[in-house]
Amino acid sequence: QVQLQESGPGLVKPSQTLSLTCTVSGGSISSGSYYWSWIRQPAGKGLEWIGRIYTSGSTNYNPSLKSRVTISVDTSKNQFSLKLSSVTAADTAVYYCAREDGWFGLFDYWGQGTLVTVSS
Amino acid sequence: EIVLTQSPDFQSVTPKEKVTITCRASQSIGSSLHWYQQKPDQSPKLLIKYASQSISGVPSRFSGSGSGTDFTLTINSLEAEDAATYYCHQSSSLPQTFGQGTKVEIK
Repeated sequence: QVQLQESGPGLVKPSQTLSLTCTVSGGSISSGSYYWSWIRQPAGKGLEWIGRIYTSGSTNYNPSLKSRVTISVDTSKNQFSLKLSSVTAADTAVYYCAREDGWFGLFDYWGQGTLVTVSS
Repeated sequence: EIVLTQSPDFQSVTPKEKVTITCRASQSIGSSLHWYQQKPDQSPKLLIKYASQSISGVPSRFSGSGSGTDFTLTINSLEAEDAATYYCHQSSSLPQTFGQGTKVEIK
């Protein structure tokens, strides 16, 4: 059973960089045809796809965030990471990591989510 | 960007009643539409894939239909445990997008 777990600071100051890591267990991040994605959800609101990385290292980002987002993968640690620069209060949200089936484009496994608050 | 619009935003339903949630895409997405259930303080859970295909372990009272731009999630004989917010999601083109969600409350 694949499991994903987000980790990182819960509080980030405005204008700084938000950094989160997702650790994958129960399977190798390098095996199979999967994308590894980040999705966020502001309190009481809907879901926003941030971007994804394939095991080859190729990435796709949401154009609305592209200038500020970097997603990377560390296959030796079975982890992938998110960096979001120049954050503002509007970036306050629960951040989820998720596995996307490369064939069907659906999110079949999700982390539990981690709340990141942007505040001074 | 493909916009997904769900209706209604909120529905209050008695147990055993049938629930219908619709999702309309701003352009044709074929069958690349998936449904998720999110309970409070939990991450979303996949319910239906490719508009109408069932997911192992999901109760059979959940079903989906549609193609192109109009899709429907149906919950037959609602149970108390189905209280949640339901989201549609399109994977036809990037960026992937979600509907705004439909909250189902149990009366």
